[in-house]
Amino acid sequence: EPEVTQTPSHQVTQMGQEVILRCVPISNHLYFYWYRQILGQKVEFLVSFYNNEISEKSEIFDDQFSVERPDGSNFTLKIRSTKLEDSAMYFCASSGSSGQGGQPQHFGDGTRLSIL
Amino acid sequence: SQQGEEDPQALSIQEGENATMNCSYKTSINNLQWYRQNSGRGLVHLILIRSNEREKHSGRLRVTLDTSKKSSSLLITASRAADTASYFCPFMDTGRRALTFGSGTRLQVQP
Repeated sequence: EPEVTQTPSHQVTQMGQEVILRCVPISNHLYFYWYRQILGQKVEFLVSFYNNEISEKSEIFDDQFSVERPDGSNFTLKIRSTKLEDSAMYFCASSGSSGQGGQPQHFGDGTRLSIL
Repeated sequence: SQQGEEDPQALSIQEGENATMNCSYKTSINNLQWYRQNSGRGLVHLILIRSNEREKHSGRLRVTLDTSKKSSSLLITASRAADTASYFCPFMDTGRRALTFGSGTRLQVQP
């Protein structure tokens, strides 16, 4: 069964450094998402992406964050200048096309980001 | 809050028993989804039930939806230790695709 893959599984970065998290969504999916989960807290939506542009974003997704689909297979989340509070598990997800969001979202296993 | 709220927060049962989790929401929906998250792992989609459906089955899972009460339940029959996980019914606003997660139900199945 096709799956969403994320790399790396664990990223350790110094505060203030830029970090890029990578995801390969399911190949025939058209909608892509990033979520994050701070340890012990709820899963939070960050951003959704469709047709090469952001379709929705949350208040968390400020100017320090950006997303890109640099080629036909990868979907990346960049954090420009990391802060301690960016430490979290970041999940990528993808879904097929359907009206009214009636398709399930398929999640990767996440990248654990640790900011020192 | 509009997110799906799961109840109970924690549930501990013996292997072979059934587990029932509930979900409540506050506004109208087109569909409702249930997800599972094993500790330290990603979320796995379990089942989607549309607003015009009242019950849906998938293997050992049975989901019901009562739109008049704005509630849903997930029943896992003949539970196994491998069912130990957190279960969520995230909310999706009409016309949007972002999922809003609650705190989930932490299910512990004792072998």
